[in-house]
Amino acid sequence: DQQVKQNSPSLSVQEGRISILNCDYTNSMFDYFLWYKKYPAEGPTFLISISSIKDKNEDGRFTVFLNKSAKHLSLHIVPSQPGDSAVYFCAASPSNTGNQFYFGTGTSLTVIP
Amino acid sequence: GAGVSQSPSNKVTEKGKDVELRCDPISGHTALYWYRQSLGQGLEFLIYFQGNSAPDKSGLPSDRFSAERTGGSVSTLTIQRTQQEDSAVYLCASSLDHLERNEQFFGPGTRLTVL
Repeated sequence: DQQVKQNSPSLSVQEGRISILNCDYTNSMFDYFLWYKKYPAEGPTFLISISSIKDKNEDGRFTVFLNKSAKHLSLHIVPSQPGDSAVYFCAASPSNTGNQFYFGTGTSLTVIP
Repeated sequence: GAGVSQSPSNKVTEKGKDVELRCDPISGHTALYWYRQSLGQGLEFLIYFQGNSAPDKSGLPSDRFSAERTGGSVSTLTIQRTQQEDSAVYLCASSLDHLERNEQFFGPGTRLTVL
């Protein structure tokens, strides 16, 4: 039972344009969310997080939006750069479970120069 | 190195053999996690260790899977009598602790292929 879903396995975007990666979840107990980025042959690395008390968190070119009523979050990358080409994983954590996270299946982003 | 390391990076084995995968977490991190990523799937939680507490084994898919963490540091994931469906990338992560939300730092993974 996949509680965190990334329905787009891949996305291609032109350099300089906006990349929007989407993530849906089913568990209403999730109250903390992360995005990880993964290059081939490397482990995922943390990118940005958001708590359910917020609806937006921004860090440089990366912004995460959270829509709790829709159980949806998205990662915006503006402007997209070729070095952003990677697989992006969304992860969610239920309240009162410590550092337990559930991961999505990932979206492979290709930024075309 | 200061990051999480895993060995081997690749492992090819025959069906029915046992394999051991090793993880060296970041020094000082009390929490250690094992995940696996099968083809086309997300990261599937397997097990976590927090300090000296009993591990949470709720994600282990069968009793052929086991893990140990010796001295609160290095961990070994053992798969007995491997099956072809065990083929996946096995990722280890560590974090400062499991009690609060904090970043999990991942190793590069071990790609296991069962023939």
